[in-house]
Amino acid sequence: NAGVTQTPKFQVLKTGQSMTLQCAQDMNHEYMSWYRQDPGMGLRLIHYSVGAGITDQGEVPNGYNVSRSTTEDFPLRLLSAAPSQTSVYFCASSYQDRGDTQYFGPGTRLTVL
Amino acid sequence: GENVEQHPSTLSVQEGDSAVIKCTYSDSASNYFPWYKQELGKRPQLIIDIRSNVGEKKDQRIAVTLNKTAKHFSLHITETQPEDSAVYFCAASITGNQFYFGTGTSLTVIP
Repeated sequence: NAGVTQTPKFQVLKTGQSMTLQCAQDMNHEYMSWYRQDPGMGLRLIHYSVGAGITDQGEVPNGYNVSRSTTEDFPLRLLSAAPSQTSVYFCASSYQDRGDTQYFGPGTRLTVL
Repeated sequence: GENVEQHPSTLSVQEGDSAVIKCTYSDSASNYFPWYKQELGKRPQLIIDIRSNVGEKKDQRIAVTLNKTAKHFSLHITETQPEDSAVYFCAASITGNQFYFGTGTSLTVIP
């Protein structure tokens, strides 16, 4: 199993550009989520999904969109990048009904100029 | 929503000493409390977790305690080693729902 994979590993954008961060898992996990990690602020939940076709907002959803068309994939879209979105983004997945722990992807380091 | 506070933000200990990191949570419905270790440039990795029906759990040099009445839980690392140096995060979750993380503790173990 590859576990949770994320692409790209690094990305530099200009203000106003859009892009999609990819996340995939091969563990048949129902629950998937996106976090951003900023210095001194821990991990903050952006959006999450409890299954294909179901998504919901987390703590900091503004400026981001998600969709979940399959169990495996959970892309995060930045519609119009802003410098405040400079961060490290982690995708995570877990079994939902067991309240199991989350497995994290390797992260994407995004810089918005 | 849930609010998780974590202290201290930085911690330095001598090799062989114990380290304790404390977290509090606000939502009494939270019932799952994992701890993660994150090395520089790496992803968070689970090191131990505890559920609300258990008061304490140990795994070799690592233990976690939970006080549901006071809504706090703690990570204890004994006989610390230089490779324990990392950032540690606590989290709280309602089963099958959102996870809320603390702001992290940077642990340095001095040889």
